[in-house]
Amino acid sequence: GDSVTQMEGPVTLSEEAFLTINCTYTATGYPSLFWYVQYPGEGLQLLLKATKADDKGSNKGFEATYRKETTSFHLEKGSVQVSDSAVYFCALKSGGSYIPTFGRGTSLIVHP
Amino acid sequence: DGGITQSPKYLFRKEGQNVTLSCEQNLNHDAMYWYRQDPGQGLRLIYYSQIVNDFQKGDIAEGYSVSREKKESFPLTVTSAQKNPTAFYLCASSMPAGQQPYNEQFFGPGTRLTVL
Repeated sequence: GDSVTQMEGPVTLSEEAFLTINCTYTATGYPSLFWYVQYPGEGLQLLLKATKADDKGSNKGFEATYRKETTSFHLEKGSVQVSDSAVYFCALKSGGSYIPTFGRGTSLIVHP
Repeated sequence: DGGITQSPKYLFRKEGQNVTLSCEQNLNHDAMYWYRQDPGQGLRLIYYSQIVNDFQKGDIAEGYSVSREKKESFPLTVTSAQKNPTAFYLCASSMPAGQQPYNEQFFGPGTRLTVL
């Protein structure tokens, strides 16, 4: 079945540091890939998505590229802020499926 | 503004009681979902519904029940049979897979349930 593997956290960075959160997946066919963000005490929000190979999703300075050859969708940001502290979830959805597959989430802590 | 609302935000339950968590959406989505989230854990699917008057069990349905009498509403009941119900509960919705195959989910703000 489908699966998503994320790097374990917490990831701790200083403000303005470069961020990478790794995400790899296994799936049949050509899934869509997503990054969601969850701020403390809140629900998940879609951060960005990509629906086909080599697509780059971007939002709020975050980027991720759909790499079919390496089955990866790593999240990057060039300069993190304290306000980026949250839990980030990588997810995939296979075409025609109602049920997405989520990774376990990676906690990001950004210090001033 | 379209979105998903969950109520209450905090809920306290005594052992042996059933409690119902509300989830309402005005996004005109057919599909709705309930997830459970424990501290430091990912999301686990409890139930989902693709259409009114139909729903399916997810990975951890034991001790929970749902109904889907209206498109906008998908309440979750945590029964006394659920042995460890203290958790954060998230409701979500999405367009049906047939209409938009690669659509994302929209989440509510969550309900934190604590058993006293």
